[in-house]
Amino acid sequence: EPEVTQTPSHQVTQMGQEVILRCVPISNHLYFYWYRQILGQKVEFLVSFYNNEISEKSEIFDDQFSVERPDGSNFTLKIRSTKLEDSAMYFCASTDGGALGGYTFGSGTRLTVV
Amino acid sequence: QKEVEQDPGPLSVPEGAIVSLNCTYSNSAFQYFMWYRQYSRKGPELLMYTYSSGNKEDGRFTAQVDKSSKYISLFIRDSQPSDSATYLCAMIAGNQFYFGTGTSLTVIP
Repeated sequence: EPEVTQTPSHQVTQMGQEVILRCVPISNHLYFYWYRQILGQKVEFLVSFYNNEISEKSEIFDDQFSVERPDGSNFTLKIRSTKLEDSAMYFCASTDGGALGGYTFGSGTRLTVV
Repeated sequence: QKEVEQDPGPLSVPEGAIVSLNCTYSNSAFQYFMWYRQYSRKGPELLMYTYSSGNKEDGRFTAQVDKSSKYISLFIRDSQPSDSATYLCAMIAGNQFYFGTGTSLTVIP
């Protein structure tokens, strides 16, 4: 079964550093998303991406964040100048834009900012 | 007021019990209603989705939506230890998913 793959599974970084979280969506999918889940809290929408541009973003997704699809397979989330409160699980998701059953999440990257 | 409210639990039931999980919402614009299961350190996995009021069955799972009350439920019949996970309700408005906080369920053998 096709999967959304995220790397690394766990990233530890010092406060103020930049991190890049990587995702490989399902190959024929067209829409890509990043969500985060702070420990014990709900899954929160960050950004959606279609046709090489951001289609929607939440209030959380400020200038500290950026997304990129550098090639035909990867979809990255960059967090500049990380803060302690950025510690969370970050999930990538992709869909072909069709039935909801095609909306697939990756296993997540656990980001720990120390 | 939060968009989606879900009791975080934890909920602990004996094997074979019927489990009832619930969410309420405030936004009338929500069109699709989903239930996801999330195992520890994994991404959410879609269990069921529906867009209309009423019941939808899939094996041991029944999703129920009451749009007039802005209330959705997931019922699990004959619960198994493998059902132990966090269950998240989710709803779509526009291009965004809105998730509940998730209910942690443990099914005791």
